[in-house]
Amino acid sequence: QVQLQESGPGLVKPSQTLSLTCTVSGGSINSDRYYWNWIRQPAGKGLEWIGRIYTSGSTNYNPSLKSRVTISVDTSKNQFSLKLSSVTAADTAVYYCARGTVIHDYFDYWGQGTLLTVSS
Amino acid sequence: QSVLTQPPSASGTPGQRVTISCSGGSSNIGSNYVYWYQQLPGTAPKLLIYKNNQRPSGVPDRFSGSKSGTSASLAISGLRSEDEADYYCVAWDDSLSGFWVFGGGTKLTVL
Repeated sequence: QVQLQESGPGLVKPSQTLSLTCTVSGGSINSDRYYWNWIRQPAGKGLEWIGRIYTSGSTNYNPSLKSRVTISVDTSKNQFSLKLSSVTAADTAVYYCARGTVIHDYFDYWGQGTLLTVSS
Repeated sequence: QSVLTQPPSASGTPGQRVTISCSGGSSNIGSNYVYWYQQLPGTAPKLLIYKNNQRPSGVPDRFSGSKSGTSASLAISGLRSEDEADYYCVAWDDSLSGFWVFGGGTKLTVL
């Protein structure tokens, strides 16, 4: 059974760079059948797609975040990562990683989510 | 403000049929598939409908999806208490370099 697990600092100061990692278990991240996503959800609000990466290295980002976002993949560790720079309180949210399937283009496996708070 | 527009709330009594709408534009719903996710409190979203009207295995046939033009809808028949959750529509948007867009979510209450 595929599982995704987010990890990160929990608390980041304003203006700093947020770094989160998603570890994939139960299957290889190195497959052209899937792509790997970051999605976030502020408390009490809706979901926002941040971006995705294929193991080829190709990426797509949400235009509203593109200038601050970098998603990378480390196939040797079966992980992919998110960096979001110049964070503000508006970036406080639960961050999910999720697998996307190329053939049907849906998110089939999600991590449990990790709360990232931006505060001094 | 979300690119896709959903009503913030919907409600129904057990056994009823409810529908949740999702309105978008030509660059998203109008030219791409629509997906629906269910999010129970404190959990990650779960796929309900893909490619407008397809159900993954394990999703009851009480859930159905449809799309017309730049709008889509999710219908839930035979409403049950465990259907109380948040529902999100999602579509790919072709503008700029392309990106996934979500609706703002609809909180379904089973009365």
